[in-house]
Amino acid sequence: GAVVSQHPSWVICKSGTSVKIECRSLDFQATTMFWYRQFPKQSLMLMATSNEGSKATYEQGVEKDKFLINHASLTLSTLTVTSAHPEDSSFYICSARVVVVNTEAFFGQGTRLTVV
Amino acid sequence: EDKVVQSPLSLVVHEGDTVTLNCSYEVTNFRSLLWYKQEKKAPTFLFMLTSSGIEKKSGRLSSILDKKELFSILNITATQTGDSAIYLCAVGDGNQFYFGTGTSLTVIP
Repeated sequence: GAVVSQHPSWVICKSGTSVKIECRSLDFQATTMFWYRQFPKQSLMLMATSNEGSKATYEQGVEKDKFLINHASLTLSTLTVTSAHPEDSSFYICSARVVVVNTEAFFGQGTRLTVV
Repeated sequence: EDKVVQSPLSLVVHEGDTVTLNCSYEVTNFRSLLWYKQEKKAPTFLFMLTSSGIEKKSGRLSSILDKKELFSILNITATQTGDSAIYLCAVGDGNQFYFGTGTSLTVIP
């Protein structure tokens, strides 16, 4: 299957700082990338859908100014958690889909964010 | 509102048992249903189903979709401790994927 690389796999940061998470599709072009957040023992919660070259579409309840998403190329999307707080600590996962609509989404390895 | 519901939420079985995991959905513009296995990190892809009645099989795992009744099942036969994981069902509508809450499977030796 296609490979999606997410970096970093874990990060610890201080409250008030910003953290950037990268999601790259390594061997395919991804017009759409998805960002999820997952709390312990819960399913994936879609945060936003990111389309190359346009603004991300955020799900209800997700703060656009806090979770900045950029999808500047067909192989890279970034999620920046700005002014992080301890409650932002979570597991963030990206997934990417190839251009053709009816395909599976491939997931990155996830990023464990801990804000102290 | 589109939604995906998985049952049971959790399951504990002994090695060698057969389990059936359920996924029902209400999604406008259904395109595909996907099953993923999630262990410690990101989900790994298992199956994608788009047509009713066609079983997909991979080793001890198999899955089938019923588009009339709007559900899918994932079967695991002769379970092993390595099957312990959260199994996620997701339904795609062409724009995004809607995930169920997952079924947590624990296989006891």
